[in-house]
Amino acid sequence: SQQGEEDPQALSIQEGENATMNCSYKTSINNLQWYRQNSGRGLVHLILIRSNEREKHSGRLRVTLDTSKKSSSLLITASRAADTASYFCATDRGNAGKSTFGDGTTLTVKP
Amino acid sequence: NAGVTQTPKFQVLKTGQSMTLQCAQDMNHEYMSWYRQDPGMGLRLIHYSVGAGITDQGEVPNGYNVSRSTTEDFPLRLLSAAPSQTSVYFCAAQREGYNEQFFGPGTRLTVL
Repeated sequence: SQQGEEDPQALSIQEGENATMNCSYKTSINNLQWYRQNSGRGLVHLILIRSNEREKHSGRLRVTLDTSKKSSSLLITASRAADTASYFCATDRGNAGKSTFGDGTTLTVKP
Repeated sequence: NAGVTQTPKFQVLKTGQSMTLQCAQDMNHEYMSWYRQDPGMGLRLIHYSVGAGITDQGEVPNGYNVSRSTTEDFPLRLLSAAPSQTSVYFCAAQREGYNEQFFGPGTRLTVL
């Protein structure tokens, strides 16, 4: 079964609003990453947070990690239509190209 | 720098046929992986490699073979295609000591 599970499965918001999506996982991890996938394309890495970090920022992205609850959240502030995509969390227990991906959250940002 | 390239982009096979999905990277990254993505789902790891000559199984390896004779290339072979292998296949490369994976554009495979 998948290590990560995203919530919600789908999210629809207006441009300018904030979007929050959550990821839960089952076993201990070294790090957690978030990826974006535009329709029909490959995944693009957004941000990584290590197991000893609690919060990380990158531009309009804010990621939190709670290892006690085995959960992470991705916040996209001031969303734009171009943010429309699927977002996946991926967990790593090592660093040998063996990430475990969740099923993703599909975000639609309406102009 | 092309990054990670995959060929073909689309492929239709009949049940029982075999084929090879090609993956190449020009970043000199040590690690390479193959994933499949079924509709509405995340990626599942098929096989991975930590360097030339070294491969190992992932979560869903049955029906697939891989080899890694060079750092650049990591082909995925379907031995006898089945409808359950209809999916989008992604190849990824990762630099040793770093966690970011770089993905190719994918191959959309349909098995009739």
